[in-house]
Amino acid sequence: GDQVEQSPSALSLHEGTGSALRCNFTTTMRAVQWFQQNSRGSLINLFYLASGTKENGRLKSTFNSKESYSTLHIRDAQLEDSGTYFCAASYGSSGNKLIFGIGTLLSVKP
Amino acid sequence: NAGVIQTPRHKVTGKGQEATLWCEPISGHSAVFWYRQTIVQGLEFLTYFRNQAPIDDSGMPKERFSAQMPNQSHSTLKIQSTQPQDSAVYLCASSRGQNSDYTFGSGTRLLVI
Repeated sequence: GDQVEQSPSALSLHEGTGSALRCNFTTTMRAVQWFQQNSRGSLINLFYLASGTKENGRLKSTFNSKESYSTLHIRDAQLEDSGTYFCAASYGSSGNKLIFGIGTLLSVKP
Repeated sequence: NAGVIQTPRHKVTGKGQEATLWCEPISGHSAVFWYRQTIVQGLEFLTYFRNQAPIDDSGMPKERFSAQMPNQSHSTLKIQSTQPQDSAVYLCASSRGQNSDYTFGSGTRLLVI
């Protein structure tokens, strides 16, 4: 079954507003990564978390391994934040192999 | 640091031909991964190497796909007798080790016609 459930699948924000993306895991994950895929198709690493919370500029991510979820918060959205955001997680038996969510298509409008 | 380099960026092959995709990982990264991305299946794991040794190829279609890492500076993914359903973006990534983040290359967009 699907081990990484990502929501929402699509999100529209106006510039300056914010929202959160979420991934639920159906098994205990060792670490989670968040990526942004831009219009050229490149996957840009945003965060790597084995636990806790990290913040970088207008982005903040949390990984709660006990409750099996991770979130990515975006505040003060800018046009250049548009793209597809993926969470991906690794679990014990997979080594460093990542299982990806389906992605969230974010559109930031003026 | 040029990042993970993948070549070619685009490749068009005729059905039944062979395609070879190249990946140069970041120097000093011991793990190299191959993924495939399609609209229908999303991002799928294919295979990975650690210190040039194949560790897990559970995502590789068995019959026509093969991957190698002959030295620490490059890996290849070869698809024999390509089929239209092989059309996808093939992504290579590298990481320092077991508990490190990935850096992805820009991908190779393969189109089989």
